[in-house]
Amino acid sequence: DAKTTQPTSMDCAEGRAANLPCNHSTISGNEYVYWYRQIHSQGPQYIIHGLKNNETNEMASLIITEDRKSSTLILPHATLRDTAVYYCIVRVANSGGYQKVTFGTGTKLQVIP
Amino acid sequence: EPEVTQTPSHQVTQMGQEVILRCVPISNHLYFYWYRQILGQKVEFLVSFYNNEISEKSEIFDDQFSVERPDGSNFTLKIRSTKLEDSAMYFCASSGEQGKPQHFGDGTRLSIL
Repeated sequence: DAKTTQPTSMDCAEGRAANLPCNHSTISGNEYVYWYRQIHSQGPQYIIHGLKNNETNEMASLIITEDRKSSTLILPHATLRDTAVYYCIVRVANSGGYQKVTFGTGTKLQVIP
Repeated sequence: EPEVTQTPSHQVTQMGQEVILRCVPISNHLYFYWYRQILGQKVEFLVSFYNNEISEKSEIFDDQFSVERPDGSNFTLKIRSTKLEDSAMYFCASSGEQGKPQHFGDGTRLSIL
């Protein structure tokens, strides 16, 4: 799996958009970008994933640059409940079904009232 | 929304004792996983399980560990003779079709005394 680089921590004001960057300059053509988060004392929670097109779901938007070397997770209106560690993970999605998720240290997002 | 459930939420065990951690994956999922997270550290992959056999395991998953799917709903992790360093949060995860995201439970906190 390609390596990812994320800032250690970020703050965001409640109600504002939280933009979490991720660099994955060594990404391969068949690797997807996944985002998970871990709220304190809970299990990791899947947020969104994409290959090269921008993606949006009820939780967030994922913007992937044209060269696919970086991406941004956008939480459009951050709430206090979005305070968590956010993990950007690059992995092959269709490699035979099972595949472990390799977590890094992620970005600790603190949403401030 | 269906979710992965884990029991117990907290398990306290004497060193050297056997412990079984239980998980009920999402009902139509086919791939099952165990991860652990030592306090303050990254989430680490332990093992993946598909079609009633282990498909991949990490170096952590030594002979003291075993997994089983005893019936159509439960997925268990057994540690035969616990050590102090086994103290951690243990997360179960499951996924459906090939390449689909993994969904995690909220974990079992294992404390070895």
